[in-house]
Amino acid sequence: QKEVEQDPGPLSVPEGAIVSLNCTYSNSAFQYFMWYRQYSRKGPELLMYTYSSGNKEDGRFTAQVDKSSKYISLFIRDSQPSDSATYLCAISNAGGTSYGKLTFGQGTILTVHP
Amino acid sequence: DVKVTQSSRYLVKRTGEKVFLECVQDMDHENMFWYRQDPGLGLRLIYFSYDVKMKEKGDIPEGYSVSREKKERFSLILESASTNQTSMYLCASSFSWRSYEQYFGPGTRLTVT
Repeated sequence: QKEVEQDPGPLSVPEGAIVSLNCTYSNSAFQYFMWYRQYSRKGPELLMYTYSSGNKEDGRFTAQVDKSSKYISLFIRDSQPSDSATYLCAISNAGGTSYGKLTFGQGTILTVHP
Repeated sequence: DVKVTQSSRYLVKRTGEKVFLECVQDMDHENMFWYRQDPGLGLRLIYFSYDVKMKEKGDIPEGYSVSREKKERFSLILESASTNQTSMYLCASSFSWRSYEQYFGPGTRLTVT
């Protein structure tokens, strides 16, 4: 079993839709949960991170972690064509230590069409 | 503004050649990483380094080696390139105290023929 599983999509939605992206993970030791966004021909960039369980909101984006189910989600409200990108979940159990190794999901390709 | 640069955007090499991919970061980050990215497989960690001259194997180190002689520079070496090493290679760096935030370079698309 992979440490992090993510549905690669692709996902295509109309502008204004609510988008839900999800990952599951297997190791309960993970404490940091991240979402990275990668535009075409660019490297990934950190979009949001959450420590432990709960929700975190940043504008149109909400990250949610359910440690009991080992499930993480990213919700995008009022999606825009500029949100079209690959979204990668990432997890870490080494937050604050020197190693900082992340484990990434496969990435979900999202297209928001006007 | 953090900047991670990679020596080439596109590279074409022949089977058996020795290939050097270079990465430089300008933010005094302790940690540096090399990943490869393939469709359907996501980002896979090849090697990482948490200090000068220190290196740790990632999930897929076979066929690769690395060098970190200076804090800002991390090199990935393919000793004898093979066609199954055709991929997008991404370098990243991070602070040790904020390790969940990695900064990525633009990537090098390597084709081995």
